[in-house]
Amino acid sequence: GNSVTQMEGPVTLSEEAFLTINCTYTATGYPSLFWYVQYPGEGLQLLLKATKADDKGSNKGFEATYRKETTSFHLEKGSVQVSDSAVYFCALRERTQGGSEKLVFGKGTKLTVNP
Amino acid sequence: GAVVSQHPSRVICKSGTSVKIECRSLDFQATTMFWYRQFPKQSLMLMATSNEGSKATYEQGVEKDKFLINHASLTLSTLTVTSAHPEDSSFYICSARSLGGGYTFGSGTRLTVV
Repeated sequence: GNSVTQMEGPVTLSEEAFLTINCTYTATGYPSLFWYVQYPGEGLQLLLKATKADDKGSNKGFEATYRKETTSFHLEKGSVQVSDSAVYFCALRERTQGGSEKLVFGKGTKLTVNP
Repeated sequence: GAVVSQHPSRVICKSGTSVKIECRSLDFQATTMFWYRQFPKQSLMLMATSNEGSKATYEQGVEKDKFLINHASLTLSTLTVTSAHPEDSSFYICSARSLGGGYTFGSGTRLTVV
């Protein structure tokens, strides 16, 4: 079946540092790809998405490009802030033959940004 | 924006009792709701998918008689953990999909069975 692999954390950075969280996927076809963020004590929130190859999703200074050649969707931010501390999940949307769909998640990467 | 309310946020119950978790879409109709279980340092594992008015579809390995899912309306789904045991202790998260196709997640329920 489809799967998502993302770099294991935790990741600890200083404020204004550059962030990369790697994500690769295994899937048949070209699924839509997502990054979700989970702040402490809260549910998951959609951070950004890309629905086809070479699409770039962006939001709040974060970016990720859908690379079909490398089956990757790495998350980047040029200058992180303390408020970016959270757990980040990479996910793909899988459609079944029956017509239903579901999200398949990576294990999550915890990011801590220190002042 | 779309909001999903999940409660309780935390619950402690005795082994052998049942616990119900509610998930409500507050400002949209959820055609489909999903229930996930999240283990420490693990990903979200999909337990079941439910469509309003029909039986839930459970993922392989999930006991449908233990994890009862009801999706009686377009705004409410419930997960009941029956005869809970310590190994059922976990973080449970619901997600609702709107007609537009977007997913909105609840804030999760921390279940501890003692």
